[in-house]
Amino acid sequence: DTAVSQTPKYLVTQMGNDKSIKCEQNLGHDTMYWYKQDSKKFLKIMFSYNNKELIINETVPNRFSPKSPDKAHLNLHINSLELGDSAVYFCASSQRLPGGWGNTIYFGEGSWLTVV
Amino acid sequence: AQSVTQPDIHITVSEGASLELRCNYSYGATPYLFWYVQSPGQGLQLLLKYFSGDTLVQGIKGFEAEFKRSQSSFNLRKPSVHWSDAAEYFCAVGVFNAGGTSYGKLTFGQGTILTVHP
Repeated sequence: DTAVSQTPKYLVTQMGNDKSIKCEQNLGHDTMYWYKQDSKKFLKIMFSYNNKELIINETVPNRFSPKSPDKAHLNLHINSLELGDSAVYFCASSQRLPGGWGNTIYFGEGSWLTVV
Repeated sequence: AQSVTQPDIHITVSEGASLELRCNYSYGATPYLFWYVQSPGQGLQLLLKYFSGDTLVQGIKGFEAEFKRSQSSFNLRKPSVHWSDAAEYFCAVGVFNAGGTSYGKLTFGQGTILTVHP
């Protein structure tokens, strides 16, 4: 029973292509995220959605478009892929609670994207 | 803005030896602190977290961490390292939105790679 699952795990594609990474969580959480881990292993948040509403957008290029059809899913679509988009993309989820952190962020296993 | 520093990029220890991984944070309010581990080719697994209360927190796999506000540190420790502990370890601070709801944004350190010699 994978809590946060992402597909595909590995993706190799050519520059200029459009690709999507899907994410689903079965934890009943209302908040989902996309994080990017670059070649130097530096992890940084890209987006956060709460109940399908975008709440964090960290100066990510417009070529990246998250879509949340429901609170259990957050997909990442990338247009016109560039070499610099090669990275590991992690989906995550948590439960947003008023007044502070009542829960923690659970990560998926990552999607390794290589742009050639 | 918040930040996290892990001073040691790479640490090597012998199996059975004790371990301490350093983490320093910068954040203007009460920090929410986490340690995650990433094995090669794997995702991130939560080891432990600190929200409030007892400053010494216990996690999975025999790890513990101590929050020291005066030193802005949250160092991870293990008394006896096993070969399976070889991985990369990430310290993170969670942003708390003063508006009254949890923001849910983690800022990570650069990571510390742990190598374990037999």
